[in-house]
Amino acid sequence: EVRLVDSGGGFVQPGGSLRLFCATSGFPFNFYSMTWVRQTPGRGLEWVSSISGRGDTTFYAESVKGRFSVSRDNSRGSFEMQMIDLRVDDTAKYFCAKSSCSGADCFSALDGWGQGVQVTVS
Amino acid sequence: DIQMTQSPSSLSASIGDRVTITCRASQPIGTYLNWYRQQSGKAPEHLIHGASSLQVGVAPRFRGTGSGTDFTLTITSLQREDFATYYCQHSYGEPPFPFGQGTTVDIK
Repeated sequence: EVRLVDSGGGFVQPGGSLRLFCATSGFPFNFYSMTWVRQTPGRGLEWVSSISGRGDTTFYAESVKGRFSVSRDNSRGSFEMQMIDLRVDDTAKYFCAKSSCSGADCFSALDGWGQGVQVTVS
Repeated sequence: DIQMTQSPSSLSASIGDRVTITCRASQPIGTYLNWYRQQSGKAPEHLIHGASSLQVGVAPRFRGTGSGTDFTLTITSLQREDFATYYCQHSYGEPPFPFGQGTTVDIK
């Protein structure tokens, strides 16, 4: 069974930092790209960042570019997002998600999701 | 970047109703269009990829159609668990892969 467990959210002041983690199991992790998606009541779902299966290609939304950084540990089946210089409008529930297509550089629909972690910047 | 626009933003329906949601891309995306359902308080779940291919385990009452810039999600007979919010998302080319703003289906 595919399983993704998010952790690391919390409360932080503007300008602060947080690191989010996603632990996975149940699939060959290194074959799948991974993605972070966030959600606020007012803005719905927002794609934030994706990382390739090998971890050598990353993509970021313009709103977080230069402040968020994703990485993965294929030996542990985990990936994380370091967030710095956090802003009030980064407040959201953050989900990690798994690509539905296998292949190191395959980015597609998201067919497995974590439960989400709340990040509050205030 | 490609933008995704859904309509309507909300609708009211009854169990057994046929419901249609539309999604428009700001430029052609072939059939690289995905649909998700998000029940209240839960993570999104993947329903359809490739505009019309049902994810394994998804009920056949969900149907996706379209190509290019215009897409639809139809629920042929609404069930209780379908009162939720639906999102489209493109996966054409490389990320970013934005979502539509969502369509909430509530009980009439």
